[in-house]
Amino acid sequence: DAGITQSPRHKVTETGTPVTLRCHQTENHRYMYWYRQDPGHGLRLIHYSYGVKDTDKGEVSDGYSVSRSKTEDFLLTLESATSSQTSVYFCANTEIAGGPHNEQFFGPGTRLTVL
Amino acid sequence: GDSVTQMEGPVTLSEEAFLTINCTYTATGYPSLFWYVQYPGEGLQLLLKATKADDKGSNKGFEATYRKETTSFHLEKGSVQVSDSAVYFCALILAGGYQKVTFGTGTKLQVIP
Repeated sequence: DAGITQSPRHKVTETGTPVTLRCHQTENHRYMYWYRQDPGHGLRLIHYSYGVKDTDKGEVSDGYSVSRSKTEDFLLTLESATSSQTSVYFCANTEIAGGPHNEQFFGPGTRLTVL
Repeated sequence: GDSVTQMEGPVTLSEEAFLTINCTYTATGYPSLFWYVQYPGEGLQLLLKATKADDKGSNKGFEATYRKETTSFHLEKGSVQVSDSAVYFCALILAGGYQKVTFGTGTKLQVIP
């Protein structure tokens, strides 16, 4: 358990509005990730971070931005929400120090509905 | 690119039945392989892993063997319980990246009493 909390856990919003999801970790792991989970697609990587202020795009990054100003917080922003961004969003972290292929620890998820 | 293919679900089994969930992968390098489990309403958690060919990962009665020759990592359990009902994801990580995981689409398992 890497002590990940996500907020909010549920959100309903309207098309065109900005939305920010927060991921907070208590373990200070270096690497953090945002995924979205959709039926038939499994989990797909949106963005990831390999340190404070160090972020990069994943496979489905269009329409999303991230920020990491502190080790413990990783924010995901939908600049202008669309219905195609209705999904369940998971944050994850990992720490490489113990070896090259450590497991990722996941938060409980945020269910976002865009009307 | 790298990919993971899992059998389509849902899989419905009676309690104490034998479980197999097939997983095959395509990777440009030499990956580590994982099975994650997601219980209803929760995030994913690691079930087991294997980091080199012929390694067997095991946990909670589940097993999977890393087969490089068939690029497979099938999940098995000899006797499932109702509490095993969940979605199971096969995944891989390649060395050298920022620990980015490639997931399969998930297989939902339902165990009935």
